Amino acid sequence: DQQVKQNSPSLSVQEGRISILNCDYTNSMFDYFLWYKKYPAEGPTFLISISSIKDKNEDGRFTVFLNKSAKHLSLHIVPSQPGDSAVYFCAASVIGGGADGLTFGKGTHLIIQP
Amino acid sequence: GAGVSQSPRYKVAKRGQDVALRCDPISGHVSLFWYQQALGQGPEFLTYFQNEAQLDKSGLPSDRFFAERPEGSVSTLKIQRTQQEDSAVYLCASSHSVMTGRETQYFGPGTRLLVL
Repeated sequence: DQQVKQNSPSLSVQEGRISILNCDYTNSMFDYFLWYKKYPAEGPTFLISISSIKDKNEDGRFTVFLNKSAKHLSLHIVPSQPGDSAVYFCAASVIGGGADGLTFGKGTHLIIQP
Repeated sequence: GAGVSQSPRYKVAKRGQDVALRCDPISGHVSLFWYQQALGQGPEFLTYFQNEAQLDKSGLPSDRFFAERPEGSVSTLKIQRTQQEDSAVYLCASSHSVMTGRETQYFGPGTRLLVL
């Protein structure tokens, strides 16, 4: 049973517009969330994270929003650039939960169109 | 500085063959993870090391999978008697400190294993 869900396998956005990637989770014990970006034939690269004590974290063009009551988070990229085309993974963990590793969603393939 | 490296990058094995996958974490990183990523899926946790101690192996799918990190740096994931369902990308990740849930994990490029 998927504890972290990314329901959009792919998303196409025009260059310069906002990209919004969504993620839902079911495990209420999750309290730390991360977004990773992955290019073909490379490992995932850390992008941005947020802990459950916050509802927003911003880093340059990237902003992550967390709605704990809805068990939903989203990644906003604005403005979108061609180099943003990649697969984006949402991941979650339990702070202080020990060594369980990250739980990942299946990923969303973002395509930025010129 | 150097990131996480993995070798080989690609491995083709015949069903029943044993394979060994190597991970060189970032120097000085205490925590090391192995993940398995099947086609079209996200990475799934296999096992975790804190230095040389394997603290969690709950994600290993069967007793054919074995991992070690004898000196607390390089790690090897061994799969015995490979099966076709073992075909996947095997990712290694390391983190600077003891995992409390907040540390960023840095991933290697992965080893793509194909079992025929």
